[in-house]
Amino acid sequence: AQSVTQLGSHVSVSEGALVLLRCNYSSSVPPYLFWYVQYPNQGLQLLLKYTTGATLVKGINGFEAEFKKSETSFHLTKPSAHMSDAAEYFCAVSVVQGAQKLVFGQGTRLTINP
Amino acid sequence: EAGVVQSPRYKIIEKKQPVAFWCNPISGHNTLYWYLQNLGQGPELLIRYENEEAVDDSQLPKDRFSAERLKGVDSTLKIQPAELGDSAVYLCASSVTGFSGELFFGEGSRLTVL
Repeated sequence: AQSVTQLGSHVSVSEGALVLLRCNYSSSVPPYLFWYVQYPNQGLQLLLKYTTGATLVKGINGFEAEFKKSETSFHLTKPSAHMSDAAEYFCAVSVVQGAQKLVFGQGTRLTINP
Repeated sequence: EAGVVQSPRYKIIEKKQPVAFWCNPISGHNTLYWYLQNLGQGPELLIRYENEEAVDDSQLPKDRFSAERLKGVDSTLKIQPAELGDSAVYLCASSVTGFSGELFFGEGSRLTVL
């Protein structure tokens, strides 16, 4: 079975600073990996995804993530935080075979300090 | 294009009462999901539909929860009777057929059971 662990339920950075949200996964087969964002009082929306090919994937709003198989990680980064990035971020894993469903991590709340 | 629509947004009920949530997916999306999101946790799949067929309901507590998608479009999730532990946000999502991992979520229905 697949699982995801997000390190840190709450991350706080200053505006303009680097954002790093950590995600480690567990999967017995090659995974598909995703980051979703949930702004206050809104539904989750897809930030970016890794399926196959290039291990560095770029998403919306300047975010990117790198798939590192040797470290079973898929950390999310953004070079310079903006106040509008304050939200809850969820890492998720899936495999094409079998259930074809997303398994989410517990989420990381990102706070941006002015 | 309208997104995934859920209602009600908020519901407060006494324990042992019934409650129902409604979801209208994005037009043309054949796959519909109901997820449960407890406070401080990531979403957990309750049930997945392909058109009107429930193809994954292994996580749905069938003693008190039921769901239907009679015409393969909108869907209803029901809880009867509700328990205190059912207080959570119920999320509906939809996607096109063929798993890509990109789910489109509604804003959720927040249930409080007193």
